[in-house]
Amino acid sequence: EAGVAQSPRYKIIEKRQSVAFWCNPISGHATLYWYQQILGQGPKLLIQFQNNGVVDDSQLPKDRFSAERLKGVDSTLKIQPAKLEDSAVYLCASSNMKGSPGAQYFGPGTRLTVL
Amino acid sequence: AQKVTQAQTEISVVEKEDVTLDCVYETRDTTYYLFWYKQPPSGELVFLIRRNSFDEQNEISGRYSWNFQKSTSSFNFTITASQVVDSAVYFCALSDLEVSSSNTGKLIFGQGTTLQVKP
Repeated sequence: EAGVAQSPRYKIIEKRQSVAFWCNPISGHATLYWYQQILGQGPKLLIQFQNNGVVDDSQLPKDRFSAERLKGVDSTLKIQPAKLEDSAVYLCASSNMKGSPGAQYFGPGTRLTVL
Repeated sequence: AQKVTQAQTEISVVEKEDVTLDCVYETRDTTYYLFWYKQPPSGELVFLIRRNSFDEQNEISGRYSWNFQKSTSSFNFTITASQVVDSAVYFCALSDLEVSSSNTGKLIFGQGTTLQVKP
């Protein structure tokens, strides 16, 4: 079974530029998560989708971050404009949650460096 | 509010030693789930175990074992006879399970413990 796919793996941009990350979850997983992991810290949830609907985006900086999950499969996370403090690894995860939190399976992440 | 604390920032052991990684959590929920993940140098988080709050039975999987104690809000992880390949950052996490139709299941992670196993 294929795992969670993410691209690109690395991205370097200047501050105030825009960037987009792509995620393809495990086939059949209805729940998709985007996490931000700053160096030396644990991942922090940015947004959670159930199929193509947003379940939780309470920690998403909506003035600059946006995400969508068209057709309930792939998802894109965008930052516009980027700030220095956005430098982090962006992790996508998916799970097959049926009534209880199942294990979340993570992709390899996208390492973003904002200069 | 939910919180996970991993007080050990870094641990260094010599191969074949046993090592225990501590995890203490806070939650007001009566039903919750606890997880352990491993993050090797490659960066991908690998799921190790999920435990629900009703099951305090300890679990063993090969060289790995987990001790869940609800009375002390702890969910500690022990690696027996450690190996160099065990070197990684280990995260304990708590699920933010809301008793509602919108079952979020989001994970709240601790800061992580970096384990270095030397040959």
